[in-house]
Parts: sequence; structure tokens; C-alpha cells
Amino acid sequence: DGGITQSPKYLFRKEGQNVTLSCEQNLNHDAMYWYRQDPGQGLRLIYYSQIVNDFQKGDIAEGYSVSREKKESFPLTVTSAQKNPTAFYLCASSRPGLAGAYEQYFGPGTRLTVT
Amino acid sequence: AQSVTQLDSQVPVFEEAPVELRCNYSSSVSVYLFWYVQYPNQGLQLLLKYLSGSTLVESINGFEAEFNKSQTSFHLRKPSVHISDTAEYFCAVSDKGGGNKLTFGTGTQLKVEL
Repeated sequence: DGGITQSPKYLFRKEGQNVTLSCEQNLNHDAMYWYRQDPGQGLRLIYYSQIVNDFQKGDIAEGYSVSREKKESFPLTVTSAQKNPTAFYLCASSRPGLAGAYEQYFGPGTRLTVT
Repeated sequence: AQSVTQLDSQVPVFEEAPVELRCNYSSSVSVYLFWYVQYPNQGLQLLLKYLSGSTLVESINGFEAEFNKSQTSFHLRKPSVHISDTAEYFCAVSDKGGGNKLTFGTGTQLKVEL
């Protein structure tokens, strides 16, 4: 079955450590995204990539980094510079749809807790 | 830049009652509109979308939403809810021709009670 895989589902880290969240898709989608979800704030875009070897900052990129070396993979690194990293992180992918609309498909998410 | 407002953070409703979840957007260009649903500790699932054509769109599980351009709204409705509809619902907007970025509202928690 096609879909988006995020691992692990729960992740615990000590403050000051970098941590990398995995996102893999086998939908053959060109575009991939990372969102952060906090209670009462909806989803906020961290980074997105429309093609391999290219990515753009979203609304809250500070303290995060990404790479897009393969079409299927878009890992997110939460660095020690991110001041409030504890959150639920969601990865998504999309392809051009009807009339050019891009429907985004989401992975199950990774809940990161930093203490 | 566009924005989405979901004024109701929580909506409690009894089973088999009707419900409306409100969504208003702001954009200087034409838009695509989406409703996503999120069950606890899961990712988001696309519920329905408005791209063009008929302003009333429906999902397979009985939800519907109507695009109202003059009121810049895309409210989600269901005539009779079920316990299994308990979830968080997000409205999202994307500019036509603006590529593939979605802007999400802050979500509405629908709680269906017996």
C-alpha cells in the first residue's frame, strides 16, 4: 500500500541535543512538507520541498534543517537552536491534482518531547 | 498572503444532532479550500475539497461544505453526527496558481456526546 511513514512515533531527547525525524513516502509525489502542531495553534509550516535537492523555508524554519537527496525521503533535524522543540511533527506530500490544486497527504506524525 | 479563521475551538453536540463548523478565509486571489480531520495522535486525513464548479461539496461519510465567495466562507456541516465523528477538524486554503502551500486554521474540536 502507498503511503507516508514517519518514525519513530514517540521520541524523547535531552535539551541541547540535535534530533532527526524520518519521513518516507512511496506515493511518487514530488513535493514534501514538514509541519509543527501545537495545541490551539493548528499546523505551521516549517520547510517544504517541491523537487529533489531543493527546499524552501516555511513560516517557522528557525532552529530546523532539512535535506532532500531522494524523492522518497525528507528528513527533518530539530537542532539545539530550536527554543521550544516539544511538539507533534507532521510530514506530508503532494502531487498536482485537478486544476492544479495540490492535495496534501499526511503521515501519522512524530511526537517529540525534549526535557 | 492568505489566512484562515476557525472561530470555534470546541463544539460539543449530542449524537444524531446536526452540526456546523465554521471557516472563514482571507485571500487576495482565488483559492482552493479543504477540510481535514484528525483523530487523536494521528495524522490528518482529507475530508473534502473545493477546487472549482459546484460550490457544494460532499464527503463519503455525510459531511458537506459550501463555498461562499461573497462571505469568504467554507463552513462544514453534517445533518446527523455520530460518536465516531469526534475528532479535530481543520480548514485549509491554498492560492490558485500559488503552488502547493496550504494555510491552516487553528482547528475545531468536535465532541459528540450520547
